Amino acid sequence: EIVLTQSPGTLSLSPGERATLSCRASQSVSSTSLAWYQQKPGQAPRLLIYHTSSRATGIPDRFSGSGSGTDFTLTINRLEPEDFAVYYCQQYGASLTFGGGTKVEIK
Amino acid sequence: QLQLQESGPGLVKPSETLSLTCIVSGGSISSNNYNWGWIRQPPGKGLQWIASIYNSGSTYYNPSLKSRVAISVDTSKNQFSLKLYSVTAADTAVYYCYAQGYWGQGTLVTVSS
Repeated sequence: EIVLTQSPGTLSLSPGERATLSCRASQSVSSTSLAWYQQKPGQAPRLLIYHTSSRATGIPDRFSGSGSGTDFTLTINRLEPEDFAVYYCQQYGASLTFGGGTKVEIK
Repeated sequence: QLQLQESGPGLVKPSETLSLTCIVSGGSISSNNYNWGWIRQPPGKGLQWIASIYNSGSTYYNPSLKSRVAISVDTSKNQFSLKLYSVTAADTAVYYCYAQGYWGQGTLVTVSS
């Protein structure tokens, strides 16, 4: 079973700043099998990035994903007020695994 | 666009069986070889994958839940279902159905007598 570890647990930033979120896998993950989600309170997760770096439909270009092997990154440029939320990485294939999440909060 | 909607009871008694159905619209289960699955989120906690099924009938389970879970698909009704047996309070969570990045809105299931 692949374990995903996200860091940091909480990121305190101001609007307009850049957020860099990390997701480390316990073993190599295919670049076509890594996604990022955003979740706000009381809502289902929303797909942001799939295949490591492809933005989902309607996702602004300030969101970008990168990485390979065991290390993956979600970058949010110029944080907007609506970007403060919890972010999860996910590896997907026949089985799924989620990271523990990173909360991006307003500083 | 694919839409998913969970249905099932919001309250289940300890030791009983939790049964949920995901109704799919905007696309056909039989013509999309997606990973059709269930994910849950205990209150205030992270996401946990439970089980997945492909339209071929192949099933995959989270090893930690495998002994208590069954997932099935009914292509004639365009829906898939989850059964979780012998539930305890630890199974209280929002349960989401999922398919290839699409999510249902989630349904809270509380295990309590």
